[in-house]
Parts: sequence; C-alpha cells; structure tokens
Amino acid sequence: GESVGLHLPTLSVQEGDNSIINCAYSNSASDYFIWYKQESGKGPQFIIDIRSNMDKRQGQRVTVLLNKTVKHLSLQIAATQPGDSAVYFCAENYGQNFVFGPGTRLSVLP
Amino acid sequence: DTEVTQTPKHLVMGMTNKKSLKCEQHMGHRAMYWYKQKAKKPPELMFVYSYEKLSINESVPSRFSPECPNSSLLNLHLHALQPEDSALYLCASSQERWGSYEQYFGPGTRLTVT
Repeated sequence: GESVGLHLPTLSVQEGDNSIINCAYSNSASDYFIWYKQESGKGPQFIIDIRSNMDKRQGQRVTVLLNKTVKHLSLQIAATQPGDSAVYFCAENYGQNFVFGPGTRLSVLP
Repeated sequence: DTEVTQTPKHLVMGMTNKKSLKCEQHMGHRAMYWYKQKAKKPPELMFVYSYEKLSINESVPSRFSPECPNSSLLNLHLHALQPEDSALYLCASSQERWGSYEQYFGPGTRLTVT
C-alpha cells in the first residue's frame, strides 16, 4: 500500500508483483519527462523518458504513461525485485526549467 | 564511459572556510549542472552551464560560485557557508542543455557546514 505523511511517500509491494508509482507534474507546457531511481548514497539514475507527443513508452520491465489532460505521469515496474527498492523521482522540463517531483520510496517486501 | 565523477565524496567545513567541489565527465557532453539535495527532498537546480557559459543561475546566494574551466570540468567554489547549506551536492551532465536529453548524475558530495 501507499502512505503519505510527513515523510517521503512510501509504496510497499511484494517481490514479484507489479509496482505503479504516480506523479503529478506542475506545468502544462512541459514537453519532456524523465523517471529517475535514487538509491541510498548515490546520485539519481535514469530509468526511462517520454516526450509530450507520446502517451506511453516501454523499456525493459518498465513502462511510463503520460496523461497530459490531467498532468499525470506514472511508472510501472513489472515483476518488482529487491534491487528495485529505492526512491523514484519524476522530473519535467519546460523551457529552461528542469524540476523534480517530491519522490516516492519503493519498498519491496520478501 | 558514461560516468560523472565528483570529489570529494564527503566534506566538512566551517563557516569561515573556503572550499571547492569538483565534477568531471568525459562523455563529450556540452551541458553541466549543479543541484542541491536536502535529506528526503528532490534535487533542486542551482546552476546550468551550456558550452562552458553559465546559462542559468536559479537565484543561488553568492556564497556559491560556479566555474567551468573546460567542457569536461565543473567546479563549485564555497565561501562563508551557513549550516543550512549542509546537503548533498550533485553534478550532472547532458548532451545538450534541455530539450529531451538525459542527464547523467554523479554520486554527489555530502557537505556538512559546522
């Protein structure tokens, strides 16, 4: 389940299940979006990107969906593994701005 | 080589000290970035260099001074910092500035101001 509070929102999933991480972006003029994974003590790592002229893009085990009508982005991870445990950030680019969302911690349960 | 390196990994400095953070990439990228990240928060953009010229300064205090000596190197000079400047400082690079180009991040420098 997902919890939101004073701490970083956390999504807990069972190993092997699919994960869906959601992100609401702020600017309707944003034309490029990226999902990053950040593990403890490391810098953000690129997962997948999508341009505003697309609504879906698939990678290896990951899919990004873009709904421009409601300014919503989601990251789907298939068959979640322990190594997927990390904080996930969406980021949007509009003009000369590159802004990260607040992040979601994904916790994979054995 | 898809690596961005940052030195030092950790830095502790007093409020009267002067120190520098260094970042290096050898991917031929022409845009480089400095971000600040506080605990449990997303990275916040500080500076953007494009073709070795400063193109964006997101209203960062003057106690932070960036420098781009060449297309592979990016420095962040620190002077008279405050304890609230303690954070993880991340460097990133991309092929070009903005416009659908993936940013590659370094591991960061963990800065503590005492």
